[in-house]
Amino acid sequence: QQQVKQSPQSLIVQKGGISIINCAYENTAFDYFPWYQQFPGKGPALLIAIRPDVSEKKEGRFTISFNKSAKQFSLHIMDSQPGDSATYFCAAILTGGGNKLTFGTGTQLKVEL
Amino acid sequence: DTAVSQTPKYLVTQMGNDKSIKCEQNLGHDTMYWYKQDSKKFLKIMFSYNNKELIINETVPNRFSPKSPDKAHLNLHINSLELGDSAVYFCASSLLGRSWDGYTFGSGTRLTVV
Repeated sequence: QQQVKQSPQSLIVQKGGISIINCAYENTAFDYFPWYQQFPGKGPALLIAIRPDVSEKKEGRFTISFNKSAKQFSLHIMDSQPGDSATYFCAAILTGGGNKLTFGTGTQLKVEL
Repeated sequence: DTAVSQTPKYLVTQMGNDKSIKCEQNLGHDTMYWYKQDSKKFLKIMFSYNNKELIINETVPNRFSPKSPDKAHLNLHINSLELGDSAVYFCASSLLGRSWDGYTFGSGTRLTVV
């Protein structure tokens, strides 16, 4: 059972455009929702994260939108750049469950010139 | 000054062999993890140790045995390797109870079983 569902699987965006990745979760006990960015040959790196009592968080070109009632959250990358081309994972954490991090299935983003 | 370092980076071995992967973190974190990333890039937790104590043990074959000699080190030993064990294994660390700090992952060990 996939507790965190992510879409799309892959995404191609033109330079300067907006990239949008969507996630949905099932377990309402999750208490923190991070996004990770992974480049080939590297480990995932924390990009931005949000608590479920906040509806939006922005850091530079990256924004998380969170809808607690719908159990959905999304990542928006504004002014997408070729250097943003990577695999993006949404995730959810159960702090009381040993900080267990449950990942979505990943989105491979390619930003074209 | 690598925060979470894993060795080796690549490991090619034959079926039936036993191998180990080592991990060390210098972040002062108290919790370390092993994650497996399969060929479809799906990441799934295997084990977690907090101050040398096993706190998460997902449904993993008992051929996999983690060991944490101290809170800065977490090793993974795999017995009788099978083709299906081929994957990238990531070590990570964090501070237990501080979800907002996130995890720090190592660069991974790509294991290929032939």
